[in-house]
Amino acid sequence: SQQGEEDPQALSIQEGENATMNCSYKTSINNLQWYRQNSGRGLVHLILIRSNEREKHSGRLRVTLDTSKKSSSLLITASRAADTASYFCATDGGGGSNYKLTFGKGTLLTVNP
Amino acid sequence: SQTIHQWPATLVQPVGSPLSLECTVEGTSNPNLYWYRQAAGRGLQLLFYSVGIGQISSEVPQNLSASRPQDRQFILSSKKLLLSDSGFYLCAWSYGQGNQPQHFGDGTRLSIL
Repeated sequence: SQQGEEDPQALSIQEGENATMNCSYKTSINNLQWYRQNSGRGLVHLILIRSNEREKHSGRLRVTLDTSKKSSSLLITASRAADTASYFCATDGGGGSNYKLTFGKGTLLTVNP
Repeated sequence: SQTIHQWPATLVQPVGSPLSLECTVEGTSNPNLYWYRQAAGRGLQLLFYSVGIGQISSEVPQNLSASRPQDRQFILSSKKLLLSDSGFYLCAWSYGQGNQPQHFGDGTRLSIL
């Protein structure tokens, strides 16, 4: 079953606007990761947030994590046409050294120039 | 720096034919290796992962198999392809410790006719 579920499934915005994507998950986690996938390419790791962290920044990316609600959000500020891609959250399912990640179905972000 | 290579980029195969997809990693030792399949508009399904040479864990029973003959080589095989094996196959690696980001190849688009 899907551990992470992104919301919305698709998002279309204008260049310069902010884009917010949400992820919900079901079980406990050690960390949650966000990835980006350009059409027809492999996934690229964006950011990892640990279960004891509430917020993390990387450039124009801001990730929040609320373990009490089992949810995370990815905010992309001042979006650019080049940000057009699918964005996935992935969780590790908690426990000890867990090598496996479970990915959601992703949010397709379209940034219109 | 570490790099991951997957080939071929695209493959068209008839039903019932064999399959061999190869993935190699450079610039790191003893990585964890992963094979995923991605159906159109969906998230990633973990097929196999390996934490060392000759060690393969299968996540989904099916007519696919994986092997790791060398530390940085991961092979996905099938003796007889089914129509349902069509999809986008992605190889990834991560460092040996748990809870690490995964780094993806550019994938193989497999079409079964």
